[in-house]
Amino acid sequence: DTEVTQTPKHLVMGMTNKKSLKCEQHMGHRAMYWYKQKAKKPPELMFVYSYEKLSINESVPSRFSPECPNSSLLNLHLHALQPEDSALYLCASSLSLGLDTGELFFGEGSRLTVL
Amino acid sequence: AQSVTQLDSHVSVSEGTPVLLRCNYSSSYSPSLFWYVQHPNKGLQLLLKYTSAATLVKGINGFEAEFKKSETSFHLTKPSAHMSDAAEYFCVVRNTGTASKLTFGTGTRLQVTL
Repeated sequence: DTEVTQTPKHLVMGMTNKKSLKCEQHMGHRAMYWYKQKAKKPPELMFVYSYEKLSINESVPSRFSPECPNSSLLNLHLHALQPEDSALYLCASSLSLGLDTGELFFGEGSRLTVL
Repeated sequence: AQSVTQLDSHVSVSEGTPVLLRCNYSSSYSPSLFWYVQHPNKGLQLLLKYTSAATLVKGINGFEAEFKKSETSFHLTKPSAHMSDAAEYFCVVRNTGTASKLTFGTGTRLQVTL
């Protein structure tokens, strides 16, 4: 199984809503990532978890709250978002941080629209 | 600091003709280099990777890339384009030893025409 599975594929929410994006992998990877991708742009790193601990936070606003309940799951909790937060949110995983080849496996993304 | 420059934002080729997508990198250390492909509304798929082994790297779907240290280049090629190759391609660099922070190029959109 070499898949990273993201749900939901599409999400529409208002600025006062609370929602969550979910990501799951069963490859035994110990590093998991959230990226944000705007149209016609490369992905931008948001968060990195290593062994279920937050390792990197790229100065992301607090309205985005990541959570890693176990080594296979990664969530992104959303609250009080702004329309400019509308984007494709990509989850990725890799064997670990630092010593691996840096190859990331990406999910298909969750397309978020904030009204 | 590391950086990646994809020299063409858009490349158009006819089906059956060769593909060349250009990438130059800047890195303070021995880099790992990757090419990822993204089809519309999809995630990123790894095409191939260079990690200091053979300089000519073969990937999936007939793509290959050559690492040229003297030219700091890692261009992606394919002998014969197929309609299904139409997508966005990202060249990515990672310095050995950094905590897997990847630097993405701005992307090259490949268009394949009949």
